[in-house]
Amino acid sequence: EAGVAQSPRYKIIEKRQSVAFWCNPISGHATLYWYQQILGQGPKLLIQFQNNGVVDDSQLPKDRFSAERLKGVDSTLKIQPAKLEDSAVYLCASSPDRVGTGELFFGEGSRLTVL
Amino acid sequence: TQLLEQSPQFLSIQEGENLTVYCNSSSVFSSLQWYRQEPGEGPVLLVTVVTGGEVKKLKRLTFQFGDARKDSSLHITAAQPGDTGLYLCAGAKNNDMRFGAGTRLTVKP
Repeated sequence: EAGVAQSPRYKIIEKRQSVAFWCNPISGHATLYWYQQILGQGPKLLIQFQNNGVVDDSQLPKDRFSAERLKGVDSTLKIQPAKLEDSAVYLCASSPDRVGTGELFFGEGSRLTVL
Repeated sequence: TQLLEQSPQFLSIQEGENLTVYCNSSSVFSSLQWYRQEPGEGPVLLVTVVTGGEVKKLKRLTFQFGDARKDSSLHITAAQPGDTGLYLCAGAKNNDMRFGAGTRLTVKP
């Protein structure tokens, strides 16, 4: 069974530029999460989807971050414009269970460096 | 402030030693999970605990969920270099899965 796929693995941009990350969850998983993990910290939830609907985006900085999950499968996370403090690993996770239960399966993450 | 507080933040021990790491909160969780994360990879689930007072064992790892479902501990017996990594606890509450900051464990041969 294929795992959660994320791309790109690494991205370096200058501040005020934009960037987009893509996530393909495990087939059949209804719940999808985006987490931000700053170096030395635990993952911080940005947004979670149940199928193609947003369940929680309370911690998403909506002035610069946006995410969508069209057709309830793939998801993209966009940052525009990027700030220095956005440097982090962006982790996508999926789960076959309803939000808040069950195992989360993580991708390898997309490491963003903002200069 | 973190919803889940993990301690210690860093731990460096010799191979063969025992250790315990903690995950504490003032909130009650419907379930709590422990993950291990290695550099350059995403976290991988070790265990899920659901019932207050529950104890689960996974080879040399013993996980305990507090009676009030607010805290948890992870005990490793006879640690090995392969146990090195970032240990994260995650609590499920109100349809959210929130993570602590983790304990970074280094086991020296």
